[in-house]
Amino acid sequence: AQRVTQPEKLLSVFKGAPVELKCNYSYSGSPELFWYVQYSRQRLQLLLRHISRESIKGFTADLNKGETSFHLKKPFAQEEDSAMYYCALSGLTQGGSEKLVFGKGTKLTVNP
Amino acid sequence: DSGVTQTPKHLITATGQRVTLRCSPRSGDLSVYWYQQSLDQGLQFLIQYYNGEERAKGNILERFSAQQFPDLHSELNLSSLELGDSALYFCASSPGMGLVNDEQFFGPGTRLTVL
Repeated sequence: AQRVTQPEKLLSVFKGAPVELKCNYSYSGSPELFWYVQYSRQRLQLLLRHISRESIKGFTADLNKGETSFHLKKPFAQEEDSAMYYCALSGLTQGGSEKLVFGKGTKLTVNP
Repeated sequence: DSGVTQTPKHLITATGQRVTLRCSPRSGDLSVYWYQQSLDQGLQFLIQYYNGEERAKGNILERFSAQQFPDLHSELNLSSLELGDSALYFCASSPGMGLVNDEQFFGPGTRLTVL
């Protein structure tokens, strides 16, 4: 089964506090994992992908194959981080082609 | 706007009807992807076209069909509409055909309401 689970629909933190958005996945092969973000009134956009191992806007995500997790972290949240965050993995269609499988998203609110 | 464009923004129709959603990819992008976002199912991949050819098929119903034209714009046709088809339909485009090294750029979406 190919599944991405984001257990928190809503997450609220204060500015300056650490934030962690949880993502767990189910996939039989070696997945490629992504985080997408949608800011208010903006389009869905790629935030980071695990293969790049980069930090974007202060966010990092580590793939933990043992725990099948790809949690998104930021040490000090900013108000502009408030957005909807989606975790996704590169899965396969029935025909064997690649497709993105998305979690249902977590709405992060950073309070002043 | 040089990004992905989708028309119309909103569409309200009745059950049993047929609608066409249109997507224009970013300049130079050869792949177009269609997604359906509903409250209960989340964001689900429907279908991908690459340079005019169907490349990958996801959870697309038989009542739905898509095509990509020579100018690379794409249309998603939804027929015999049901209440459950009400959703936000996103189009995305990318330069190549893969996922890992190829970023998808999303359009603003078309909100379909079936009454």
